[in-house]
Amino acid sequence: DGGITQSPKYLFRKEGQNVTLSCEQNLNHDAMYWYRQDPGQGLRLIYYSQIVNDFQKGDIAEGYSVSREKKESFPLTVTSAQKNPTAFYLCASKVTGTGGDTQYFGPGTRLTVL
Amino acid sequence: EDQVTQSPEALRLQEGESSSLNCSYTVSGLRGLFWYRQDPGKGPEFLFTLYSAGEEKEKERLKATLTKKESFLHITAPKPEDSATYLCAVQAPGGSYIPTFGRGTSLIVHP
Repeated sequence: DGGITQSPKYLFRKEGQNVTLSCEQNLNHDAMYWYRQDPGQGLRLIYYSQIVNDFQKGDIAEGYSVSREKKESFPLTVTSAQKNPTAFYLCASKVTGTGGDTQYFGPGTRLTVL
Repeated sequence: EDQVTQSPEALRLQEGESSSLNCSYTVSGLRGLFWYRQDPGKGPEFLFTLYSAGEEKEKERLKATLTKKESFLHITAPKPEDSATYLCAVQAPGGSYIPTFGRGTSLIVHP
C-alpha cells in the first residue's frame, strides 16, 4: 500500500532532550512538509522540502531541525531550544497531477513533554 | 497576507439535519482551495480541491462549492460517522506549494 507513515504515534520527552520524529513515504512525491497542530489553531508550517538535500524554514522553524537525505524520508528533530514542544505533529507530502497540487498527510505523532 | 476563516467553530446537528460549513478567504489570486476531514488523533484526509468560482464537487453526502470570496461544504442528511473536524486551506499563486489553513469546524452529528 502506498502512503505516509509516521513514528512513533506517541512520544514523551523530558525537559532538555532532543527527540526525532520519523516520516516516510512510498508515494514517490518530491515535496514533503512538517506541520504542528495545537488545539484551536490551524496547521502551522515548520519546515518543507521540495527536493532531496534541500529544505526551507516555515513559519515556526525555531527549535526544530530537519534533513532530507532520501526522497522517501523527512525526519524532524525537536530540540531542547523549542520551549513549548507539546503538540500534534503532522507530516505531509505533495503530488502534482493534471488537476493541480494535492497534499496528503500522515497519521501524526503526539509529542508530550514531561 | 493570505487568510482563511472557517465558521462556525463548532456545529452540532441531529442525524439527517442538513447544514453548511463556511470557509472565507482573502488571497491575492486563488490557485486552489482544499477541504480535508480530520478525525480525532489522526491526520487530515483529503476531500476536495476547487480551482475556480462556480466549481462544485461531491462525495457521498458532501458537496463543496466555491465563490470568489468563500467556499461552502454542504452536508446533506448527515450521519454520526460524518462527525469530524473539517479543515479548509487555500493556495495562492507562486512557485512553492504552501497552503494556508483555517482553524477548522468541529462537526458533531447526534443519532
